[in-house]
Amino acid sequence: AQSVTQLGSHVSVSEGALVLLRCNYSSSVPPYLFWYVQYPNQGLQLLLKYTTGATLVKGINGFEAEFKKSETSFHLTKPSAHMSDAAEYFCAVSGAGSYQLTFGKGTKLSVIP
Amino acid sequence: DTAVSQTPKYLVTQMGNDKSIKCEQNLGHDTMYWYKQDSKKFLKIMFSYNNKELIINETVPNRFSPKSPDKAHLNLHINSLELGDSAVYFCASSTTVNTEAFFGQGTRLTVV
Repeated sequence: AQSVTQLGSHVSVSEGALVLLRCNYSSSVPPYLFWYVQYPNQGLQLLLKYTTGATLVKGINGFEAEFKKSETSFHLTKPSAHMSDAAEYFCAVSGAGSYQLTFGKGTKLSVIP
Repeated sequence: DTAVSQTPKYLVTQMGNDKSIKCEQNLGHDTMYWYKQDSKKFLKIMFSYNNKELIINETVPNRFSPKSPDKAHLNLHINSLELGDSAVYFCASSTTVNTEAFFGQGTRLTVV
């Protein structure tokens, strides 16, 4: 069984500040990890993914995430927040033998001008 | 070119009615999904099809019935709609069962 915990249902940052969205996972097999973004009234868009290889993964819009197996974490960061980053962010996990993505409950990011 | 498209985008209907949501993907993917997003934004898998075969059927009322006429289409039919069925329903597809999924824009279903 797999599960995802996203710490903080709502995160607020000032424009230009560091964005840090936390994700911890549980998986009995080597995980595949994903971050998605959802803008209001839209579908989910893939930001980045980790399957194997380099543990620091770069995605679109300046976001990156680091897979830390020892901490079972896959936190999402961006050095400088932009107003357009305001959205809902979802962490998800799958893996070998899994037939689906299991999502966390989401973190709403607000960016304060 | 829309990769995963759902119709309709909005659906308002009365309790007890039967409705369908259609989904098509032009990505050549083998796997398609239906997810339900509730009012708290929580996403839960409902069904998954791989090469037209049902591989995931989560605990969903029998009133919900998916149909996959071919690999590019996965429709969702809902009988006897209830107030609690109000949600946003997302169709998605992926190359295989455990890779990243590409999502449609969602169908906002409101049962009154």
